[in-house]
Amino acid sequence: EIVMTQSPATLSVSPGERATLSCRASQSISSNLAWYQHKPGQAPRLLIYGASTRATGIPARFSGSGSGTEFTLTISSLQSEDFAVYYCQQYNNWLALTFGGGTKVEFK
Amino acid sequence: QVQLQESGPGLVKPSETLSLTCTVSGGSITRYYWSWIRQPPGKGLEWVAYLYYSGSTKSNPSLKSRVTMSLDTSKNQVSLSLSSVTAADTALYFCARVPLGVTDAFDIWGQGTMVTVSS
Repeated sequence: EIVMTQSPATLSVSPGERATLSCRASQSISSNLAWYQHKPGQAPRLLIYGASTRATGIPARFSGSGSGTEFTLTISSLQSEDFAVYYCQQYNNWLALTFGGGTKVEFK
Repeated sequence: QVQLQESGPGLVKPSETLSLTCTVSGGSITRYYWSWIRQPPGKGLEWVAYLYYSGSTKSNPSLKSRVTMSLDTSKNQVSLSLSSVTAADTALYFCARVPLGVTDAFDIWGQGTMVTVSS
């Protein structure tokens, strides 16, 4: 199983600031990585796939980078609606899809 | 606009079988992979299983052979059965779609249905 490790667990950010979230894979997953945003009581939302491609309708302030084992999700200027939990997920191994433990982005 | 809505019993007794349904509206269930993902209380997301409309179920190795998925194209529904449940199966269960070859990721999710395993 490919273990996905996200850091930090909690990120305290003020509106307008940049947020940088990290995700590490226990082995190389090429660019087979997705990022999701999840708010309580709502359906998770796909933000990024292929490590760096924004999903349909996702604002340009969200960007993804990385390949192999190290990945980053950057929110360039945090808006109030961006406070949520963010998960990375690898789909390099389709016999065992795995998610990271999540990073909670909270109001500073 | 495609929407997914999960439904289920809410409460299941230990050792029994959990059965959930995901109703897809606004689009066809053919030519996609369909998946179930769960979130135990206070924890992160865990992939449960996926199924292609013309294929067999692939499930999380940790769930061994307890998982069955099926599609009902006449009702546009995706179903999940999880047998021999224990308290560890208590979770919020989501269904999600994968347009393989397009994003290869879960592009549309439902809001989830909570399942509690308790006697």
